[in-house]
Parts: sequence; C-alpha cells; structure tokens
Amino acid sequence: DTGVSQDPRHKITKRGQNVTFRCDPISEHNRLYWYRQTLGQGPEFLTYFQNEAQLEKSRLLSDRFSAERPKGSFSTLEIQRTEQGDSAMYLCASSLATGAGDGYTFGSGTRLTVV
Amino acid sequence: AQKVTQAQTEISVVEKEDVTLDCVYETRDTTYYLFWYKQPPSGELVFLIRRNSFDEQNEISGRYSWNFQKSTSSFNFTITASQVVDSAVYFCALSGSRGTSGSRLTFGEGTQLTVNP
Repeated sequence: DTGVSQDPRHKITKRGQNVTFRCDPISEHNRLYWYRQTLGQGPEFLTYFQNEAQLEKSRLLSDRFSAERPKGSFSTLEIQRTEQGDSAMYLCASSLATGAGDGYTFGSGTRLTVV
Repeated sequence: AQKVTQAQTEISVVEKEDVTLDCVYETRDTTYYLFWYKQPPSGELVFLIRRNSFDEQNEISGRYSWNFQKSTSSFNFTITASQVVDSAVYFCALSGSRGTSGSRLTFGEGTQLTVNP
C-alpha cells in the first residue's frame, strides 16, 4: 500500500464550472477525512466518513459541496458552480477508527485554482 | 471549542542552529491528543508525533524533541542542529477524545521554517 492517493494533483477551472476530486485511502482504514487548506493557513476540517457513512460535516461545507464514499473505499468531493474563494488545497486523510487520537495519514492534496 | 495558536509565522535560522517552534492550545476536553506535522513544498502533511494529555513526558527522537506542559497548555517542538532539509511549514494540531472534537484535527496556522546553508 503506497499511502493515501489523491487525484488530480492540480486542477485549474473557470468560475462556475463543476469539479470533482478523488481520494483513495489506505485500504484497511475505515475513516476518511476531507480538509481544505488556503494559502498561509492550516488545514480546516470539512467532513469525514466512517466506512460509507458521512458522520460529520463542517459549516464550511456549503450546499455547493458534496462528498461521497459509496462503497466505503475511495471518496469523491464535488464542488458545483465553483467560485474564486474555493481556490485552495483539498487534503484527504484516512485512519483506523480504533479511538480518538488515531494516527491520520494525509495524501498530497489536490490544488484547485478557480480563474 | 478547540483552538491552536502558533505565534511564530516565520523563522529563519542558519544550518546547525537549534530552533524551537511554539504551540499553545485551548480545549475543554480532559482527554485530548496533540500532534505535530511537517509540510514540505510538495504539500503532503507528514506526521511527526502524537501525545495524549495524560502523558507529559518529554520525548526525543533523533534531532527532534517535544516539550509538553499542561500547566501552560503548550506543546513546543525543538529541532537540534537544524539542516536545510528541515525547511518546511510545521503545524501543531489538536484532537479531542470523543464526539465532534474527537473526529477532527484542529490545526494552528503553521510556522514556516527556513534553514539557510
């Protein structure tokens, strides 16, 4: 297992377009998280899944954002009608749900630029 | 609510100098976890250490050491004999033990460390 994979690494899109990112977690990890990181800031929590269930969503996740993890393996994050404020690094992480404070493994992120 | 403060935005040192990165946290949880991550220019967050709130022993791993002081809500990170490869953004993060705070990491704003040859 090579860790958490994210695709694409970079995405440039025009304002108003829809974009979708994919995350493949470590295979035995049943928790999957999405974070957003803007320039010069720390990552901010967006949402997380335990298996296929989406258990928590941040208030940062507006109606234009939707995340899925249909079979409890990979996850997708879709942003509809992108805005310039959506430009950021989108990070995915996974962990085992053995208790709080589990080690999270992060992917390299997808850098989104909305022009 | 949980909060992590890294007051140092940028630090620049010369190779072989020791450098300490500060982290102060706020939480109402009695059990919590503290983390340090390194983010090189490639963007991936690299896990460095995790400590739980009941273990105040300082830890040393090679050139890295961590000083956890519950009395001052601080979890500082020291790099001894810094090297150019240590140049990166370093994040301190906090997780609770259950419920909402236990399912997410709260990050500080990061400290950009530049080690010059």
